[in-house]
Amino acid sequence: TQLLEQSPQFLSIQEGENLTVYCNSSSVFSSLQWYRQEPGEGPVLLVTVVTGGEVKKLKRLTFQFGDARKDSSLHITAAQPGDTGLYLCAGVTQGGSEKLVFGKGTKLTVNP
Amino acid sequence: GAGVSQTPSNKVTEKGKYVELRCDPISGHTALYWYRQSLGQGPEFLIYFQGTGAADDSGLPNDRFFAVRPEGSVSTLKIQRTERGDSAVYLCASSSTGIQYNEQFFGPGTRLTVL
Repeated sequence: TQLLEQSPQFLSIQEGENLTVYCNSSSVFSSLQWYRQEPGEGPVLLVTVVTGGEVKKLKRLTFQFGDARKDSSLHITAAQPGDTGLYLCAGVTQGGSEKLVFGKGTKLTVNP
Repeated sequence: GAGVSQTPSNKVTEKGKYVELRCDPISGHTALYWYRQSLGQGPEFLIYFQGTGAADDSGLPNDRFFAVRPEGSVSTLKIQRTERGDSAVYLCASSSTGIQYNEQFFGPGTRLTVL
């Protein structure tokens, strides 16, 4: 059972466009993390959100944690070809062990 | 400083053989995790060590899979009687209790192919 549903699974856009990736669950998470993974490499942490309603910005990337701590979104403004990669959300379930539960990921391609 | 390293980077084996995959965590990190990532999927949890002991091994798919961390640093994931369905990228991550919110640092993975 996939606890975290990510959408869309694939996204191909032109340079300069904006996009939003969603991460949804029926479970409550004590924290939620977003990773970016490139082919042949391990995931690299982008951000951790902890508080319901929290918004964090990382240059052109904006991350939001839902009020109920069950969902999150990643918004990229003016996408660039260097943003191409697999974006993964991962949560630590409340009351569970320290393992991360990952979504399937969103494969983003930004065309020049 | 050095990140998480994993060896080998690629492993090709035949069905039924035994394999060992090694993970060197970031120095001083007490927690170590193994995940498996199949094509087109996100990483799937296998086992988590806190120090030398397995704190959570609920993700190991069956008794062919076993992992050790005898001295609380390097870990080895062992797979007996490999099957074609075991083919995947095996990722290792480490974390420190001194890091907030369980932020995990991943290695590049070992790509296992079972023929």
